[in-house]
Amino acid sequence: NAGVTQTPKFQVLKTGQSMTLQCAQDMNHNSMYWYRQDPGMGLRLIYYSASEGTTDKGEVPNGYNVSRLNKREFSLRLESAAPSQTSVYFCASREGGTSNEKLFFGSGTQLSVL
Amino acid sequence: GESVGLHLPTLSVQEGDNSIINCAYSNSASDYFIWYKQESGKGPQFIIDIRSNMDKRQGQRVTVLLNKTVKHLSLQIAATQPGDSAVYFCAENMGTYKYIFGTGTRLKVLA
Repeated sequence: NAGVTQTPKFQVLKTGQSMTLQCAQDMNHNSMYWYRQDPGMGLRLIYYSASEGTTDKGEVPNGYNVSRLNKREFSLRLESAAPSQTSVYFCASREGGTSNEKLFFGSGTQLSVL
Repeated sequence: GESVGLHLPTLSVQEGDNSIINCAYSNSASDYFIWYKQESGKGPQFIIDIRSNMDKRQGQRVTVLLNKTVKHLSLQIAATQPGDSAVYFCAENMGTYKYIFGTGTRLKVLA
């Protein structure tokens, strides 16, 4: 049981380049999330998907797009990367059927935009 | 406003001693709280959670205490081990999709 799997683990981009961060979970969870983690700040929500077929903006969605490809997969796309998007990105999931549920996190993608 | 904060950014403890990591929250509507451990280069790992209808919950070597009167959450780690060295942060949830995360406390275990 792998849990939440993210790829790639590391990525370096030049300003203006695009890329997609991949996330997959094998726990049959309904809800999936993308967060970014910056030094001195708590995790901030970029986008989330409450269930297959739905996505919603979080706290810091500008510059990002997402796709809930199926129940397992939730990708995050940077169309035109900017240095301000240098961060560590985490995908998370939760069962999503009730309230008060913990999130399960992937191991993260460390992204540097030059 | 909404916030989840930690009183101590770095905590150093001797191996074998007990550790206490604190967290303050400001949203009285929050009804579920989680502690996560994050080791360097890894994703947050669930440690223990507590619902607002409880004031204490115990796990293996860990205890979470919730004081709703002063909006305070703490994580106690008994007999701290070198493997406990990590960043610990709390999170609060109001029963929706939204979680608010603290900035974290770094725990250093001294041999």
